[in-house]
Amino acid sequence: EAGVAQSPRYKIIEKRQSVAFWCNPISGHATLYWYQQILGQGPKLLIQFQNNGVVDDSQLPKDRFSAERLKGVDSTLKIQPAKLEDSAVYLCASSWGSGNTIYFGEGSWLTVV
Amino acid sequence: GESVGLHLPTLSVQEGDNSIINCAYSNSASDYFIWYKQESGKGPQFIIDIRSNMDKRQGQRVTVLLNKTVKHLSLQIAATQPGDSAVYFCAENTSGTYKYIFGTGTRLKVLA
Repeated sequence: EAGVAQSPRYKIIEKRQSVAFWCNPISGHATLYWYQQILGQGPKLLIQFQNNGVVDDSQLPKDRFSAERLKGVDSTLKIQPAKLEDSAVYLCASSWGSGNTIYFGEGSWLTVV
Repeated sequence: GESVGLHLPTLSVQEGDNSIINCAYSNSASDYFIWYKQESGKGPQFIIDIRSNMDKRQGQRVTVLLNKTVKHLSLQIAATQPGDSAVYFCAENTSGTYKYIFGTGTRLKVLA
């Protein structure tokens, strides 16, 4: 069974530029998560989708971050404009449903300079 | 890729010894717990889970212990190997909610 796929793996951008990350969850998983992981910390939930609906986006900085999962499968996370403090690993994860085991992708490593 | 967790608590163990990694969870209502392993440059990898109706669960070389009285979770790794070197996170979830809460992580270093 294929795992959670993410791209790009690495991205370096200048502050105020934009970036987009893509995620393809494990086949059949209805719940998709985007986490932000700052160096030295555990993952922090940015947004959670159930199929194509948003379940929780309370910690998403909506002035600069956006995410969508239009067809209930793939998802994109966008940052515009980026700030230095956005340098982090952006982890996509998926699960059969909320409360089930979540499986992570390898992450997209963002450096904002 | 970058190393994760340069400032995390570190546990150093000799190869072949047993490792015990501890986690204090925050919500007494949490009823599902997962341990993840995160190697440098990779995403967290599922190791083992346990539900609150159990005190202990064993996997291959790993055992998770749950003490609900003091809200404590531990991961025991038997015969620690160099490949076990990584950052380990615990995560808690409460039925009826949607959020997983992650601990800050512990770096395990295996000494040859």
